[in-house]
Amino acid sequence: AQSVTQLGSHVSVSEGALVLLRCNYSSSVPPYLFWYVQYPNQGLQLLLKYTSAATLVKGINGFEAEFKKSETSFHLTKPSAHMSDAAEYFCAVSGRGSQGNLIFGKGTKLSVKP
Amino acid sequence: DGGITQSPKYLFRKEGQNVTLSCEQNLNHDAMYWYRQDPGQGLRLIYYSQIVNDFQKGDIAEGYSVSREKKESFPLTVTSAQKNPTAFYLCASSYPRDAYGYTFGSGTRLTVV
Repeated sequence: AQSVTQLGSHVSVSEGALVLLRCNYSSSVPPYLFWYVQYPNQGLQLLLKYTSAATLVKGINGFEAEFKKSETSFHLTKPSAHMSDAAEYFCAVSGRGSQGNLIFGKGTKLSVKP
Repeated sequence: DGGITQSPKYLFRKEGQNVTLSCEQNLNHDAMYWYRQDPGQGLRLIYYSQIVNDFQKGDIAEGYSVSREKKESFPLTVTSAQKNPTAFYLCASSYPRDAYGYTFGSGTRLTVV
């Protein structure tokens, strides 16, 4: 069985500050991990994914995430927040044998203050 | 360009009516999914289909129905049995491969009037 926990339903940062969105997973098989972003009234867009190659994954819009097996974490970071980063972010997990079915976290809404 | 299209963008339903939300993809994906999104509740799976002419209930299937007669299409009907249908509905598609991930449509906002 697999599950995802996103710590913090709301995160607020100042423009130019570090963005850190937390995701912890539980999986009985080697996981594949994903971060999606959703802007208001739009669908979800893939930011990045971990598929057991490099543990540090770079995505679009300057975001990156690091897979840490010992901590069962896949936190999303960006060195300097921009106003356009304000959105909701979802972490998701699948695993070998899951036939591609994703389990999503409940999401973290990121606000960026000027 | 390949993609997944949901229509309409906004939909209004009167009490007691059935409405159908359209989802079409030209990505040649085998699997398709319907999610419901309410503020603060994340994504909740309604139905999914891995192949044509087959589909499975998700976590909140009551009051909804689907069909999968063509690979490209996976329409969702919100029936009058769904007591609180006002929500944002998202369709997604994928290959049924472990590390592929989903492609999402832009969503349909359904409001009961």
